[in-house]
Amino acid sequence: NAGVTQTPKFRILKIGQSMTLQCTQDMNHNYMYWYRQDPGMGLKLIYYSVGAGITDKGEVPNGYNVSRSTTEDFPLRLELAAPSQTSVYFCASSGGNNQPQHFGDGTRLSIL
Amino acid sequence: GENVEQHPSTLSVQEGDSAVIKCTYSDSASNYFPWYKQELGKGPQLIIDIRSNVGEKKDQRIAVTLNKTAKHFSLHITETQPEDSAVYFCAAASGSARQLTFGSGTQLTVLP
Repeated sequence: NAGVTQTPKFRILKIGQSMTLQCTQDMNHNYMYWYRQDPGMGLKLIYYSVGAGITDKGEVPNGYNVSRSTTEDFPLRLELAAPSQTSVYFCASSGGNNQPQHFGDGTRLSIL
Repeated sequence: GENVEQHPSTLSVQEGDSAVIKCTYSDSASNYFPWYKQELGKGPQLIIDIRSNVGEKKDQRIAVTLNKTAKHFSLHITETQPEDSAVYFCAAASGSARQLTFGSGTQLTVLP
């Protein structure tokens, strides 16, 4: 059982480039989340989704976009990468609001 | 929005001793409080959680207590072992999708 899978594991971008961080889960969970974790800090919510076709902003959504066309996948898009977006990005999923969130192992992104 | 504060930021204990990590939250609507363990290079892993209608929960060497009136909750680890060394995060959940707000983390080191 793979759980939550994130790709790539590492990436270096130049300022102004764009990229998509991939997240897929095989637990048939309706709820999915994207967080970022800056060094020595807790995780901050970027976007979340309660089902296919439904997304909503979290605490720090600026500079990011998401889509949710299937239950399994929840990609995160950076359109114009900025140094402030250097971080570790975690995707999580949950079976519902009475269920815990399960996390992937993260994508480490550096923007130079 | 919700604000979660976590103390201490670092904690060193001798193997076999107990460790206590404390968190406070600000939003009285928060109703779910998970604790996560994060090892280097990995995503957060749920170790225990508690809902707002429960005051204490225990799972082997790990226990969590919740004081809703004072808006604080604590993680207790007894008989610590070197493999307990990691970063521990508390979180509080609110909203229809149970969005999590994380504390800033505690680096626990268990000395052999």
